Amino acid sequence: GESVGLHLPTLSVQEGDNSIINCAYSNSASDYFIWYKQESGKGPQFIIDIRSNMDKRQGQRVTVLLNKTVKHLSLQIAATQPGDSAVYFCAEKNAGGGADGLTFGKGTHLIIQP
Amino acid sequence: EPEVTQTPSHQVTQMGQEVILRCVPISNHLYFYWYRQILGQKVEFLVSFYNNEISEKSEIFDDQFSVERPDGSNFTLKIRSTKLEDSAMYFCASTPRDLNGSPLHFGNGTRLTVT
Repeated sequence: GESVGLHLPTLSVQEGDNSIINCAYSNSASDYFIWYKQESGKGPQFIIDIRSNMDKRQGQRVTVLLNKTVKHLSLQIAATQPGDSAVYFCAEKNAGGGADGLTFGKGTHLIIQP
Repeated sequence: EPEVTQTPSHQVTQMGQEVILRCVPISNHLYFYWYRQILGQKVEFLVSFYNNEISEKSEIFDDQFSVERPDGSNFTLKIRSTKLEDSAMYFCASTPRDLNGSPLHFGNGTRLTVT
């Protein structure tokens, strides 16, 4: 069936380095994608989103890239800080409008090494 | 910054008991959601709610589950007869518009433990 998944369950990077978290999706009908960050004991926190009519979007220290040809989504975090340590989820929404739910990937645990 | 708030933060209940999880969405939001996350697994969609009725629900949201907006601020999830497999984090979320317009804003969740 259709699914959203992450390539790596754990990613460890040195503080100050850039990190890239990847996500594969298989539903070609998805038209909206979101990255969430989840710290221990907290709910998912919105980081950045992108619509299917775009291939890149930048925020503060974060960039999301969307490659619809290979159904791939990535989150780049520049100059990582200790506070970036968390689990990162990608989520997709199928085209169709309305208030239907997002489909989440399993998550990548980003660990920032001092 | 406005937040989605959830109470209680942790609920322990015995199998077969009813539980009500409470949420106060962000005040000007119109769409409300419940998601759950079993330990170590994905965040899963349960139900969406708009204009005082359910918009969509997943296969997980069976007859044991119900949602209600009893007043202008609270949004509740009731599980009538809890099962061990209902143990999970339950997240409430809200958006000012539907998901084509804005991302979900989540609360910090209620950890439900069914013994």
